[in-house]
Amino acid sequence: GAVVSQHPSRVICKSGTSVKIECRSLDFQATTMFWYRQFPKQSLMLMATSNEGSKATYEQGVEKDKFLINHASLTLSTLTVTSAHPEDSSFYICSAPGGANYGYTFGSGTRLTVV
Amino acid sequence: AQKVTQAQTEISVVEKEDVTLDCVYETRDTTYYLFWYKQPPSGELVFLIRRNSFDEQNEISGRYSWNFQKSTSSFNFTITASQVVDSAVYFCALRMYNTDKLIFGTGTRLQVFP
Repeated sequence: GAVVSQHPSRVICKSGTSVKIECRSLDFQATTMFWYRQFPKQSLMLMATSNEGSKATYEQGVEKDKFLINHASLTLSTLTVTSAHPEDSSFYICSAPGGANYGYTFGSGTRLTVV
Repeated sequence: AQKVTQAQTEISVVEKEDVTLDCVYETRDTTYYLFWYKQPPSGELVFLIRRNSFDEQNEISGRYSWNFQKSTSSFNFTITASQVVDSAVYFCALRMYNTDKLIFGTGTRLQVFP
């Protein structure tokens, strides 16, 4: 079935550095990718929607300059957390419409810890 | 506005008990989709079910069953004879027909003790 491969699964970085998270659709084309952030014991909050070949759409309150999203091809979307701070520590999950599960295929998530 | 409410933050049961997780949604649209996902401690989201607004038939899949009631805007999920492996956070989600965005509820953490 459809798979979205998300890497890395876990990353620890120092404050001030940037971290890139990749999501690849392995056997289907993802023209759209949703990026979520999940704080501990909280729900998934949609951060932005990336579309292949165009600018991402950010949800209210999400800093576009801090969370850079690129959707370079029909199979790859990336989220770069720039100048990371400890408050950016969270679980980030991507999701693409399409695939076997009646419309959504989720990546396995990236646990980011900023120290 | 669209909204999903999962009033139960956390539920604890003993193995073999039945447990129902509540989900209430709000939307003015007549066409929409409802989902349930399971999130085990590892973090990945596991799809459980999708139901569209025109299909009010209840569904049973093994120990899982879902009760969709448009009259009360509810889409409740019951686990029969719960097992320790059912311990996870369960999310209910809503999608409008004219968008791909999913609106998640706040989730219910289910703990099943042996």
